[in-house]
Amino acid sequence: DIVMTQSPDSLAVSLGERASINCKSSQSVLYGSNNKNYLAWYQKKPGQPPKVLIYWASTRASGVPDRFSGSGSGSDFTLTISSLQAEDVAVYYCQQYYSTPPLFGGGTKVEIK
Amino acid sequence: QVQLEESGGGVVQPGRSLRLSCTGSGFTFRNYGIHWVRQAPGKGLEWVAFISFDGDYRESADSLKGRFTVSRDNSENTLYLDITGLRAEDTALYYCARDFEERCGGDCYLDSWGQGTLVTVSS
Repeated sequence: DIVMTQSPDSLAVSLGERASINCKSSQSVLYGSNNKNYLAWYQKKPGQPPKVLIYWASTRASGVPDRFSGSGSGSDFTLTISSLQAEDVAVYYCQQYYSTPPLFGGGTKVEIK
Repeated sequence: QVQLEESGGGVVQPGRSLRLSCTGSGFTFRNYGIHWVRQAPGKGLEWVAFISFDGDYRESADSLKGRFTVSRDNSENTLYLDITGLRAEDTALYYCARDFEERCGGDCYLDSWGQGTLVTVSS
């Protein structure tokens, strides 16, 4: 199984400041034949289902504000919120979909400082 | 629009069995693989199981194998998760979620989710 490890577990950021979340996979999720990283980021707010923000490690899903960006390749990835807004308070999860089981990271809780 | 709706949750005694359902609408259900994901109170997301669009490929989390079985009835646009020998640690909100792409073999991210159905295991 490809295990996903996120850091930090939580972070508090001032409004308008940058928030960065790291995700590391126990093996590469880069598929050589198409040069795609099989890595997605989800946002989870209380009382709502998860919502995909980023897929292929860096492609923003439809309707997602451009303050959200994904980067990284192979085994190391980052989700960045360039200017934190109040509505971004949530738990963020990475997930690899390179192989079954498509495991999630443990989550990172983002709060306002 | 794409909709997934889970049902079948409730309060169940330890050791009993339960069937959860997930009904899809707004898309060609028979063309999409579907996953079950759960979230226990205060915990993170846990992938539970997957079934391919045609039902030919099924997989479940190693720790749950033997107790969790996924199936589907494409004529009814419905997916099922059968859980036996329920334990307190199975208490969670169970979501079904769709592969982003048709006929994906499980290596897809999840683009649409239901609201979840709550299972509480308690005597």
